Amino acid sequence: NAGVTQTPKFQVLKTGQSMTLQCAQDMNHNSMYWYRQDPGMGLRLIYYSASEGTTDKGEVPNGYNVSRLNKREFSLRLESAAPSQTSVYFCASRDIIAGGLYEQYFGPGTRLTVT
Amino acid sequence: QKEVEQDPGPLSVPEGAIVSLNCTYSNSAFQYFMWYRQYSRKGPELLMYTYSSGNKEDGRFTAQVDKSSKYISLFIRDSQPSDSATYLCAMTGGSQGNLIFGKGTKLSVKP
Repeated sequence: NAGVTQTPKFQVLKTGQSMTLQCAQDMNHNSMYWYRQDPGMGLRLIYYSASEGTTDKGEVPNGYNVSRLNKREFSLRLESAAPSQTSVYFCASRDIIAGGLYEQYFGPGTRLTVT
Repeated sequence: QKEVEQDPGPLSVPEGAIVSLNCTYSNSAFQYFMWYRQYSRKGPELLMYTYSSGNKEDGRFTAQVDKSSKYISLFIRDSQPSDSATYLCAMTGGSQGNLIFGKGTKLSVKP
């Protein structure tokens, strides 16, 4: 049981280049999330997918697109990278603990630098 | 005003000290409160959760919620160097609501 996996672990892009961050979970969770984490800003939600076939914008969606490929996989695409997108990106999936309380399981992160 | 405010620190304490980490929030609809721990260069992991007001204890860790003051705390007793990490508070109204995270407090426990 690998949990939430992310690829790549590190990436350096030039301004204007595109790339896709991959995320997969093997826990059969319905909901999946993409966050970015910046110093002094905490975790900010980019996009989420409540279930297979649905995606919704979070707090900071501009410059990103997502695809929920199937129940396991949720990818994040940067079409034209900008230096402001330099960040650590975390994917997460969610499982119920009890009642309306859910636990999010995070992947190890992707460190992206845009020059 | 951000929905969740958390002092980012950093906080440095000697081994064995009692640590108090805090968050305030503005949304009275929040009823589920969580603390995540994040070690350097790792993803956050759930440490503790509480529902509504009150205290919850788990070993050296105690989570406290005061809904009347919109204030939550995490206490660490007999702190250890292995407790050195960033601690993020998180909260939600529940069910379909997404988690709202604080910015995280970086804690360093010195031997």
